[in-house]
Amino acid sequence: DQQVKQNSPSLSVQEGRISILNCDYTNSMFDYFLWYKKYPAEGPTFLISISSIKDKNEDGRFTVFLNKSAKHLSLHIVPSQPGDSAVYFCAARYSGAGSYQLTFGKGTKLSVIP
Amino acid sequence: DGGITQSPKYLFRKEGQNVTLSCEQNLNHDAMYWYRQDPGQGLRLIYYSQIVNDFQKGDIAEGYSVSREKKESFPLTVTSAQKNPTAFYLCASSHRGTEQFFGPGTRLTVL
Repeated sequence: DQQVKQNSPSLSVQEGRISILNCDYTNSMFDYFLWYKKYPAEGPTFLISISSIKDKNEDGRFTVFLNKSAKHLSLHIVPSQPGDSAVYFCAARYSGAGSYQLTFGKGTKLSVIP
Repeated sequence: DGGITQSPKYLFRKEGQNVTLSCEQNLNHDAMYWYRQDPGQGLRLIYYSQIVNDFQKGDIAEGYSVSREKKESFPLTVTSAQKNPTAFYLCASSHRGTEQFFGPGTRLTVL
């Protein structure tokens, strides 16, 4: 059973507009959430993270929102640029027992159209 | 330059052969991880190690083995027992409690 779900396999957005990528999770023990960006045939690169004690974290054009009651987080990219075209993975972590394993969603492919 | 290196970039293996994928990091990270990615799938954890000489099975450890004799190195062996080894393999490392940094990956193809 998937504990981290990204229900949209793909998303197309016009350059300059906002991209919103969504992620849902089922395990209420998750206490830290991350977004990674991945280009084909490359390793993922860390983008932004948020702790479960916060509801928003911002870094430049990227903002992550966390709604704990809904077990939902989203990544907003404003304004979207063609270089943002990639697969975005949501990941969640439970820090209990000193383990820092990440559970990943299946990813959302973002295409930013010039 | 600090980072994670994986070699080789592409690897071909005949059925029934074992093959070892290399992962080295010079970030002085304690923890290292191996993931597998299949088309349309997320990253699935194979093995992880939080300290030298210790490692734990992830979600899909069957058919794989690892060692952690040095802090910098965490090689993964794909054995002949792995039923469907063709995939993209990713190694990562982290300080405890921080984000994981990934290597460039190795694409393994079984012929």
